[in-house]
Amino acid sequence: EDQVTQSPEALRLQEGESSSLNCSYTVSGLRGLFWYRQDPGKGPEFLFTLYSAGEEKEKERLKATLTKKESFLHITAPKPEDSATYLCAVRGLSGGSYIPTFGRGTSLIVHP
Amino acid sequence: DTEVTQTPKHLVMGMTNKKSLKCEQHMGHRAMYWYKQKAKKPPELMFVYSYEKLSINESVPSRFSPECPNSSLLNLHLHALQPEDSALYLCASSQVGTGENYGYTFGSGTRLTVV
Repeated sequence: EDQVTQSPEALRLQEGESSSLNCSYTVSGLRGLFWYRQDPGKGPEFLFTLYSAGEEKEKERLKATLTKKESFLHITAPKPEDSATYLCAVRGLSGGSYIPTFGRGTSLIVHP
Repeated sequence: DTEVTQTPKHLVMGMTNKKSLKCEQHMGHRAMYWYKQKAKKPPELMFVYSYEKLSINESVPSRFSPECPNSSLLNLHLHALQPEDSALYLCASSQVGTGENYGYTFGSGTRLTVV
């Protein structure tokens, strides 16, 4: 069974204070690791897909990296508008080939 | 059009009511999903439609009844719900086959309150 663990559960940063969110996973044959951003009361917004160890993707102040056991979402010089819950999900070879397993998310608050 | 549109945005219903949630996408995605999300929890898969056919039902109670009238529309019919069914109901869509590694496109959700 695929498992995803995100840490920390909650993170408070000052504007401009860079940090990283962690997503540790156990999966049989990784077919994709996904990062989403979710604002309160809204649906998740797709950010990145990573496929293989060593891969990196960037979007504005966000950079996602992948190893064989975990992924990091690095946030550089965050702004208050980056405040949201960040969800990590993985797809493996087990079960439905296109059904991801979600982590519980990291709630990020960036103070001005 | 790169959006998934859900209606209504908010719904309050009594335990004896019948209501429906609607979801629409025009991205040509052939997989559509219903998720349920409680506060501070990850989305929980309910149903998956692939090429308009129900392919996954995650042991959801029969008071939830999905329907996929065509490749762009997905409905969730609600009947005799319980207060614990109150949640954010999310619709999502994605490509199928070679698109398996694409992320989902989620709608903004319907906030359902059962009284």
